[in-house]
Amino acid sequence: NAGVTQTPKFQVLKTGQSMTLQCAQDMNHNSMYWYRQDPGMGLRLIYYSASEGTTDKGEVPNGYNVSRLNKREFSLRLESAAPSQTSVYFCASSRRGDSKETQYFGPGTRLLVL
Amino acid sequence: AQSVTQLDSQVPVFEEAPVELRCNYSSSVSVYLFWYVQYPNQGLQLLLKYLSGSTLVKSINGFEAEFNKSQTSFHLRKPSVHISDTAEYFCAVSSDGGATNKLIFGTGTLLAVQP
Repeated sequence: NAGVTQTPKFQVLKTGQSMTLQCAQDMNHNSMYWYRQDPGMGLRLIYYSASEGTTDKGEVPNGYNVSRLNKREFSLRLESAAPSQTSVYFCASSRRGDSKETQYFGPGTRLLVL
Repeated sequence: AQSVTQLDSQVPVFEEAPVELRCNYSSSVSVYLFWYVQYPNQGLQLLLKYLSGSTLVKSINGFEAEFNKSQTSFHLRKPSVHISDTAEYFCAVSSDGGATNKLIFGTGTLLAVQP
């Protein structure tokens, strides 16, 4: 039982390049989330998926797109990377989208955009 | 709109000393409160949470937090810290009424335990 896994662990991009961050969970959770973590700002929600087949914007969605490929997988795509997207990205999942539910986090992807 | 304030960005403390990490929130509706911990180079994991009932909640490793509605606070305490408690601690809030569990995080407090 691996929990939430993310690939890659590290990535360096040049401005304008594109990439997809992958996330998978093996806990049969319905809801999945993408956050970014920046120094002094805590975690901010980029996009979430309440259930398979649905996605919605969070607090900071500009410059990103997501795909809920199936119940297990939720990917985050940067179409044209910018230096402002240098950050640590965390994927999380929860059993349901209920406000009381615990979220389970992956180990993160560290992205540097030059 | 909800918000969470963690005023202390860093709290240095000696091993075996007590510690309190402060968290205040603002919300116009009933809230659920969480403390997550992030060890170096890892993702976040739940430490404890308040949903309802007893206002004092405890974790398995000796931390506790008390929900204080009148002061809109959810401070985290431990009577005696260990070196292994060194980590960043995030307070978070969510509330009913939305379709999805949208957690609002504070900016985090780095607990630095020194020998």
